[in-house]
Amino acid sequence: AQSVSQHNHHVILSEAASLELGCNYSYGGTVNLFWYVQYPGQHLQLLLKYFSGDPLVKGIKGFEAEFIKSKFSFNLRKPSVQWSDTAEYFCAVKGQYGGATNKLIFGTGTLLAVQP
Amino acid sequence: DAGVTQSPTHLIKTRGQQVTLRCSPKSGHDTVSWYQQALGQGPQFIFQYYEEEERQRGNFPDRFSGHQFPNYSSELNVNALLLGDSALYLCASSLLQGKEKLFFGSGTQLSVL
Repeated sequence: AQSVSQHNHHVILSEAASLELGCNYSYGGTVNLFWYVQYPGQHLQLLLKYFSGDPLVKGIKGFEAEFIKSKFSFNLRKPSVQWSDTAEYFCAVKGQYGGATNKLIFGTGTLLAVQP
Repeated sequence: DAGVTQSPTHLIKTRGQQVTLRCSPKSGHDTVSWYQQALGQGPQFIFQYYEEEERQRGNFPDRFSGHQFPNYSSELNVNALLLGDSALYLCASSLLQGKEKLFFGSGTQLSVL
């Protein structure tokens, strides 16, 4: 069965620090990979996604993620965080079974707190 | 604004009761998925509806059922509520044949006492 592991449950950083959130998945086939963010009191929003092509994908608000197939990883990075990045971050995977839309498997989330 | 609307925003029920949650998808979307997000956990897939039929289902008991209407809106029903059903229930909409970008609603917070 597919699964997603996020290694850091809570991360506390100071503004301007660099961020890397780990995400590993288990699935042997072709996958689509996603990072979602949930700001306090708001709905889940898509940060970035990987379907194919360049394994380094850039998303909104200066975030990027690198797909490393050999490591089954899709880590999220940002060179310099801001207080407004305080949120919960979820990694998600969707296996490719053919034409129909399939379910997303989410990790347990990483709560990021950025101190001003 | 995600464009997906859910109602109600909060709900309190007691064990054994039944509950119905509602979702209106983003304009133009034809597929609705429901997720359960327990405290401290990531969202877990319940089921997905397309063309008024359940297309996929996650590992949830039959107490969880749903419906999709001709206007693509959807309902999630949970019967015989248990304390463990307390969670945030999220609705997400998409185009079945699109690039699978899901738009999420803000959710319904269900508390079972």
